[in-house]
Amino acid sequence: NAGVTQTPKFRVLKTGQSMTLLCAQDMNHEYMYWYRQDPGMGLRLIHYSVGEGTTAKGEVPDGYNVSRLKKQNFLLGLESAAPSQTSVYFCASSLVNTEAFFGQGTRLTVV
Amino acid sequence: KNEVEQSPQNLTAQEGEFITINCSYSVGISALHWLQQHPGGGIVSLFMLSSGKKKHGRLIATINIQEKHSSLHITASHPRDSAVYICAVPPFGNEKLTFGTGTRLTIIP
Repeated sequence: NAGVTQTPKFRVLKTGQSMTLLCAQDMNHEYMYWYRQDPGMGLRLIHYSVGEGTTAKGEVPDGYNVSRLKKQNFLLGLESAAPSQTSVYFCASSLVNTEAFFGQGTRLTVV
Repeated sequence: KNEVEQSPQNLTAQEGEFITINCSYSVGISALHWLQQHPGGGIVSLFMLSSGKKKHGRLIATINIQEKHSSLHITASHPRDSAVYICAVPPFGNEKLTFGTGTRLTIIP
């Protein structure tokens, strides 16, 4: 059972480039989340989804877009990367009111 | 706005010591999560609890809903327990988690 898988694990982007992070879960979870983790701060919610075809903004959504075309996949897009988006990104999934399962993280550097 | 405060921010202890990490939150919640993050690693869920106490191996988590407070205890601590411990809460009627900034635990052999 793979759980939650994020790809890629590392990426370096130039300012202005775009990229997509993929999160895949094989637990049939309804809820999926994208967080960013920065030094000295707690995990902050970027966008989330409560089911296939739905998305909603979290705490820090600016500069990011998401899509949930299939229940098992949640994509996070950066349209025009900025140095402020240098961070570690975590995807998570859960059922309603249950423990969350996290991916291994994606370390993104924007230069 | 839901605030989640953890203490201490950093904790260094000798192997074998009893460890306590605290978490306080400001609004009513349905449950509280304790997570573990090893250096450079992913995040693992340790506990989800809504009342009382849960135990898993050397780890014990307690929660007092009335006082809006939870503690994570580690008995007979070991260097492999060195990690960042994070508490997170979903407010009532809200599926989104609010996270504390974490407690960095270092256990010295």
